[in-house]
Amino acid sequence: AQTVTQSQPEMSVQEAETVTLSCTYDTSESNYYLFWYKQPPSRQMILVIRQEAYKQQNATENRFSVNFQKAAKSFSLKISDSQLGDTAMYFCAFMKQSNTGKLIFGQGTTLQVKP
Amino acid sequence: GAVVSQHPSWVICKSGTSVKIECRSLDFQATTMFWYRQFPKQSLMLMATSNEGSKATYEQGVEKDKFLINHASLTLSTLTVTSAHPEDSSFYICSVDRVPYEQYFGPGTRLTVT
Repeated sequence: AQTVTQSQPEMSVQEAETVTLSCTYDTSESNYYLFWYKQPPSRQMILVIRQEAYKQQNATENRFSVNFQKAAKSFSLKISDSQLGDTAMYFCAFMKQSNTGKLIFGQGTTLQVKP
Repeated sequence: GAVVSQHPSWVICKSGTSVKIECRSLDFQATTMFWYRQFPKQSLMLMATSNEGSKATYEQGVEKDKFLINHASLTLSTLTVTSAHPEDSSFYICSVDRVPYEQYFGPGTRLTVT
């Protein structure tokens, strides 16, 4: 069975600074996808970034980037130039390639961006 | 714009009654939809996969008779919580696989059972 672990329940960062959220996972699968989702106070889940396991290059989306270490089964999210609107709960998630749609989520990290 | 809608956004029901939650795919036909449950300040747990034209597939530990899922059309899946009890109070979220390996989530439904 796959598991996803986020070891930081809460984090805070000053506006404009950089913060890194950690995520580790366990799987015996070779083909899978990893995601970071953001859940703001509205509770609408928003996709932040996606990484295909077969790609060595780390995914980036504007101020968001990941550090994907496949051998270590680590998938951290870096948020640069943090903005107040980044305040939210962030979930790391895993999906087997053979099981599209079924996401396994980590426990979540609550991020507070301070002015 | 929104890709997935849910109705209602918040519902309060009395213990012992049933409540239905709708999930609609707004701009494409979805043969498969997914239902998640989220307790306050906790993670999302997959409950079941809703399949158009066939029975839903439930995750281990989810009571099929309590959480009835019907995928009535290619744009609508419903989750009915039967004989609801206070412990069923939670946030229910549906999702759609609009793009392969990329889930779009509905805005969620808060269920409170009194």
